[in-house]
Amino acid sequence: QVHLVQSGPEVKKPGASVKVSCKASGYRFTTYGFNWFRQASGQGLEWMGWIGAFIGNTNYAQKFLGRITLTLDESTTTAYMELQSLRSDDTAVYFCARDRGTVVSLYWGQGTQVTVSS
Amino acid sequence: ENVLTQSPGTLSLSPGEGATLSCRASQNVGNNYFAWYQQKPGQAPRLLIFDASSRATGVPDRFSGGGSGTDFTLTIRRLEPEDFAVYYCQQYDNFPLTFGGGTRVEIK
Repeated sequence: QVHLVQSGPEVKKPGASVKVSCKASGYRFTTYGFNWFRQASGQGLEWMGWIGAFIGNTNYAQKFLGRITLTLDESTTTAYMELQSLRSDDTAVYFCARDRGTVVSLYWGQGTQVTVSS
Repeated sequence: ENVLTQSPGTLSLSPGEGATLSCRASQNVGNNYFAWYQQKPGQAPRLLIFDASSRATGVPDRFSGGGSGTDFTLTIRRLEPEDFAVYYCQQYDNFPLTFGGGTRVEIK
């Protein structure tokens, strides 16, 4: 069965970077892409970007351009989301999710709390 | 971007009652690439419906999705206690992927 396991909570200072990992198992890694989302406390879901697993092509939300990098490591079947120049309003739970061919998100990681505070 | 507007914001219902959730898109959603997710506190969202009307594996048949173009609905035939949650609609026809603001289904 498909499992996505994300890295643990992070506390960062403003201006720092964070890299969240998403370890995938239970399927052929290069077959499906990943979306990344985030959710601030009590708020809705926000899409951040998508990476295709076959050739690693990306599509980022406009608001994160220049600050976000999505990557894949096929050798460890892990997807990564790096967000730079963190601000307090980046405090949120970050989710990875695997698509099902179209980019709808079928399988989700458990979420990673990222807290940005001085 | 395709802005999705969900209504109502909150539904107060009793177990056994039916629920109809709506989502309107500001632009046509092609290919019926439209989804509904359920989210409970402290959990990741769960895909319920994709391609506007297809149930994801393991989703009970009391959940059904409908609509096309710019207007979509999620119907829950008879609410079970575990169905009280927040529901989000999403379009995945075009980037950026967008979500509605959510409908909270709460116990009356």
